[in-house]
Amino acid sequence: NAGVTQTPKFQVLKTGQSMTLQCAQDMNHNSMYWYRQDPGMGLRLIYYSASEGTTDKGEVPNGYNVSRLNKREFSLRLESAAPSQTSVYFCASRPNIGVSNQPQHFGDGTRLSIL
Amino acid sequence: KNEVEQSPQNLTAQEGEFITINCSYSVGISALHWLQQHPGGGIVSLFMLSSGKKKHGRLIATINIQEKHSSLHITASHPRDSAVYICAVLRPGSQGNLIFGKGTKLSVKP
Repeated sequence: NAGVTQTPKFQVLKTGQSMTLQCAQDMNHNSMYWYRQDPGMGLRLIYYSASEGTTDKGEVPNGYNVSRLNKREFSLRLESAAPSQTSVYFCASRPNIGVSNQPQHFGDGTRLSIL
Repeated sequence: KNEVEQSPQNLTAQEGEFITINCSYSVGISALHWLQQHPGGGIVSLFMLSSGKKKHGRLIATINIQEKHSSLHITASHPRDSAVYICAVLRPGSQGNLIFGKGTKLSVKP
């Protein structure tokens, strides 16, 4: 019963380095999300994918790109990491977008530090 | 002003106490979620509700749509209940995108 799996769990980067955070779900969900969580702030949506082949910007997309590789996998890429991107990143999935009575299922998070 | 406000921000209780965490929101919603996040851990969905009340074990969640307010209650609290509790709302037509509160950090002392 893996649910939503994120890799890596921890990463330290230098400013300017690139990195891809991986996310995979085994629940056959259509919708997937990437959030960041910073101290004193609520979770903020970076990008989401309503279904395989589609992606859309969330509240804080600048500095990030995403790829919905297939129905299972949704990756988040930092092309040129900046210290402001130091955060905990969560991936989530949900059966279908636009249906209100479905909870989101979250991964365990990736703690990313940019030096 | 944040669209989702939680109170209190921090809460310390003694084991066995009855705990209430509040969530107020300023937008129209189709559902409200309560989530739990343990230290260093992932996020788990506890409840999703659009009206009335739900109960699961020692946890009870209520919502008053007219007053735009929800409460999460924990009866007979236990140290293992120590976590951050997060309220999030789903707006109609928002494609599943949640708006999150900042969370309430609960510490239950033995």
